[in-house]
Amino acid sequence: DAGVTQSPTHLIKTRGQQVTLRCSPISGHKSVSWYQQVLGQGPQFIFQYYEKEERGRGNFPDRFSARQFPNYSSELNVNALLLGDSALYLCASSLAYGAMGTDTQYFGPGTRLTVL
Amino acid sequence: AQSVTQLDSQVPVFEEAPVELRCNYSSSVSVYLFWYVQYPNQGLQLLLKYLSGSTLVKGINGFEAEFNKSQTSFHLRKPSVHISDTAEYFCAVSDIGRGKSTFGDGTTLTVKP
Repeated sequence: DAGVTQSPTHLIKTRGQQVTLRCSPISGHKSVSWYQQVLGQGPQFIFQYYEKEERGRGNFPDRFSARQFPNYSSELNVNALLLGDSALYLCASSLAYGAMGTDTQYFGPGTRLTVL
Repeated sequence: AQSVTQLDSQVPVFEEAPVELRCNYSSSVSVYLFWYVQYPNQGLQLLLKYLSGSTLVKGINGFEAEFNKSQTSFHLRKPSVHISDTAEYFCAVSDIGRGKSTFGDGTTLTVKP
């Protein structure tokens, strides 16, 4: 079975540009979460989506947005890129939301974003 | 609010020696606990998880962890490490019923021959 997939693998942008990152969850998983991992730190929670609705948001500015599609895939958008947005962006999928035992998250390989 | 503290940023050990990676957490609600491993330039791989039941949890690659509620700890152990265990290890907690996880800053395990 395919795991969580993310595209692109690597991306280079310049300050002020906009970027869209994509994620496909494990088949049967309905919840997708996004994390930002800056070099040398643990992942920081950005968003969680379940059934196309936002279920959680971390402490990130409004430049960050996301959405989930009917097939449960998801996009993360970042506008007006800053140098500090350079990081590994991780997508994780889980079975559901709000039910015990469904919280285990499975991570994709990530998208490495470099902002110059 | 939740927080996770990984008490050692770097742990160097010799091959075949035992290792313990320490993790303490704080939370006002009941949580699930996880350990992940990250190899260079890769995503996170789940090593093991504690959801409920026995406080000693066994995971992949010979790792195990013990949940101690009174000390709010979830330390990861392996009795004999291999060179291939060299990686970054992350401890994480999540509210029961939610998908959001809070991660520690990681522990770099370096296994030397």
